[in-house]
Amino acid sequence: DADVTQTPRNRITKTGKRIMLECSQTKGHDRMYWYRQDPGLGLRLIYYSFDVKDINKGEISDGYSVSRQAQAKFSLSLESAIPNQTALYFCATSDSLTGQETQYFGPGTRLLVL
Amino acid sequence: QQQVKQSPQSLIVQKGGISIINCAYENTAFDYFPWYQQFPGKGPALLIAIRPDVSEKKEGRFTISFNKSAKQFSLHIMDSQPGDSATYFCAASFTGNTGKLIFGQGTTLQVKP
Repeated sequence: DADVTQTPRNRITKTGKRIMLECSQTKGHDRMYWYRQDPGLGLRLIYYSFDVKDINKGEISDGYSVSRQAQAKFSLSLESAIPNQTALYFCATSDSLTGQETQYFGPGTRLLVL
Repeated sequence: QQQVKQSPQSLIVQKGGISIINCAYENTAFDYFPWYQQFPGKGPALLIAIRPDVSEKKEGRFTISFNKSAKQFSLHIMDSQPGDSATYFCAASFTGNTGKLIFGQGTTLQVKP
């Protein structure tokens, strides 16, 4: 089984709808991240979380919210989706306790907002 | 000052050739520079990383060259293979930045047989 899973893998929604993207990990890592990937713009950080009680805004948090329901689960919500939120979304984890900075990415969720 | 600029955006190389991707940064506090590799339909995965106390790091056919004074670093793929066709991202972070990575714009590499 994959260490970092994302659901759904693909989603089509309409402008104004609320949607939630979910991320789960079995790596036991304390840190989790949400990124969006757009062609020519690379990966941009939306939110990150050190643990269940510590959530921080990233570079492009406007229009998004997150919830860290447990150490292993980190959800991203679009309260009212708009077309320019069409993108590929990735969840990632890392382990601060080992001092390693490697981030482990999920397979991504492709979102289309019509 | 937080940006990492990556070039080229796309690259086509013949099998057996050398692929070179360049990145430049502004923030001199950055002290960790990884490269991530992403295959279609997959998430990025760490390929190789370097810290500024060395000028070069090699792992198999992949080498990072680091120029601290120029604030630039590059990925060299020797003897490029079709299986290396992927998108490559450089990134940077600094101690105390809570593990946040600043990614470059990405380079799509195609290695022709």
